Formats: sequence, structure tokens, C-alpha cells
Amino acid sequence: DAKTTQPNSMESNEEEPVHLPCNHSTISGTDYIHWYRQLPSQGPEYVIHGLTSNVNNRMASLAIAEDRKSSTLILHRATLRDAAVYYCILRLTRASYDKVIFGPGTSLSVIP
Amino acid sequence: DGGITQSPKYLFRKEGQNVTLSCEQNLNHDAMYWYRQDPGQGLRLIYYSQIVNDFQKGDIAEGYSVSREKKESFPLTVTSAQKNPTAFYLCASSTRQQGRDTEAFFGQGTRLTVV
Repeated sequence: DAKTTQPNSMESNEEEPVHLPCNHSTISGTDYIHWYRQLPSQGPEYVIHGLTSNVNNRMASLAIAEDRKSSTLILHRATLRDAAVYYCILRLTRASYDKVIFGPGTSLSVIP
Repeated sequence: DGGITQSPKYLFRKEGQNVTLSCEQNLNHDAMYWYRQDPGQGLRLIYYSQIVNDFQKGDIAEGYSVSREKKESFPLTVTSAQKNPTAFYLCASSTRQQGRDTEAFFGQGTRLTVV
């Protein structure tokens, strides 16, 4: 199964942009890249997902490398509420199964 | 409002007892998942189901069992065979629309403690 690798932790100053990297060198052509974030003792919250093209929504942007072996989640202006663990996930949708594999996550700290 | 509900939020179990965690969704999603999370760790997949009456083992299925008799429900039983069941358990559901991937929705979790 394809895996993801992320830095264990990152820091950002409030109101500055944050770039959270994720490597997924064994990704296959039909795997979607999802990002979720999780606050302590809560379920993960969806942030964004994409397949090949860069994606934007109200929460963030997702930049996907041309070879799809890496991606970057971009928070345009970090706020204190963005402090969470961010998971880069591959959704494996092949003929025989459909499951979501979680990577280790990046703990983001936002400094006021 | 549509969503995914886990119950109870907190659960205590004596050693040697089986216990069942509930997960219900009204999102009409085909796929449902159970994850386990230990303190300071990421999520590990226990079981998943793509369709009613079908489910597959994840990475850490030993000591757990599931059923999928209805589309809305995917209960997880933690059996006495699970040696270290104290953890935070998360249920999720997802679907695809017109062949395109969509987001997964997570419940708020059940914290199981063995006493």
C-alpha cells in the first residue's frame, strides 16, 4: 500500500502563510490525496483533496507536484485555530478495495 | 442535519469483557471505516466496509469484529482477545460521486478505557 511521509512538527507565526509538505512517492494513478486536521480528543476534519490539479477552497490550497510524488498544503494566513495535527492521506480506490490510509501527521503550532 | 454519530463518547470495560461501539451515519455513504488512535499517534485502520454485508480487515484487525447489516450502521466489537484495547476509536464514512472522490466524514470518537 502507498504510504505518506510528513515532518513530525512545524511552527508558524500567526497571520503568516504555512506550507505543510507531504511525500507519497509510491502513489498510483488513481489514488486521491486528502488532507485532514485533528484537534485533541476530536475526530479529524476534512480540509481539502485533489487528484492531479492544484485545488483551492475556503480553508486552504493544495499544490500537487507534476509527478504526483509530493504535495503541499498551503494555509494562506495561519490563525491560532489552525493549530492542529494535519494528516496527509492517500485514498486507495482500486478495483478490489477502497480504504483510507493515514500517515503520521504533522503537528502545527501557531505562535501569536 | 446529515452526519456520523458515535456512541457512547466514553466507555469503560472490565478486562475479559466484550464491548460494542456504535457508529451510525445518515449521509447515504457506501463506505465506512473504523480507526484506532493511541495517545500522540496517528490513526490506524481496524476494519472497513465498502458495501452492506461486506467488510475487510485493516492493518490491526486482531481482537476486533464488525458487522454491516445496514448501510447506516457499522458497529465495532472489541473482544476479550484484544490485549490492549484502551484507546480512542474513530468511525468514518465516505462515498464517490460520479466516479469522483469526495471527503470522508468522521465521528467525534469513543474513548474506551479498560479498568
